[in-house]
Amino acid sequence: NAGVTQTPKFQVLKTGQSMTLQCAQDMNHEYMSWYRQDPGMGLRLIHYSVGAGITDQGEVPNGYNVSRSTTEDFPLRLLSAAPSQTSVYFCASRGDYSRQYFGPGTRLTVT
Amino acid sequence: EDKVVQSPLSLVVHEGDTVTLNCSYEVTNFRSLLWYKQEKKAPTFLFMLTSSGIEKKSGRLSSILDKKELFSILNITATQTGDSAVYLCAVETDSWGKLQFGAGTQVVVTP
Repeated sequence: NAGVTQTPKFQVLKTGQSMTLQCAQDMNHEYMSWYRQDPGMGLRLIHYSVGAGITDQGEVPNGYNVSRSTTEDFPLRLLSAAPSQTSVYFCASRGDYSRQYFGPGTRLTVT
Repeated sequence: EDKVVQSPLSLVVHEGDTVTLNCSYEVTNFRSLLWYKQEKKAPTFLFMLTSSGIEKKSGRLSSILDKKELFSILNITATQTGDSAVYLCAVETDSWGKLQFGAGTQVVVTP
């Protein structure tokens, strides 16, 4: 099992550009989520999905879109990047007994 | 609004010392409390606690939950430099696994 994979590892965007952060898991987990981590703030939930075709907003959803067409994939789209979206992004999927598996993260810088 | 507060925010100890980290929470729906260790990459799972007063142990790490007073502690005994990390506390707030994180405690263990 590869677990949770994320691409890219690093990305630099200019203000106003759009991009998609990819996330995939091979554990057949229904629940997947996206977090951002900023210094001194822990992880904050952006969007989550409880299964293919079902998504919902988390704590900080503005400026981000998600979709879930398959169980495996849960991409996060930045519609028009802003410097405030400079952060480290983690994708996670939840297995049995509340255990969440995190991807390696994407470090995004918006200039 | 759900809230998870960790203290202290950071601490520096010498190898061999014992460390106690605190996590208090106020959430509308509590399902479980989880502790993660993060060393410059993705968080890795340490413990999940659901019942008051039952200590979970893993080597030199242990944790306990008090659901009446709404807090948990994580203890690390005989600290080693490899324990240097950010320790994150999170509360699971729904049956699908939505997590509310605290800001984390940065622990630095000096030789």
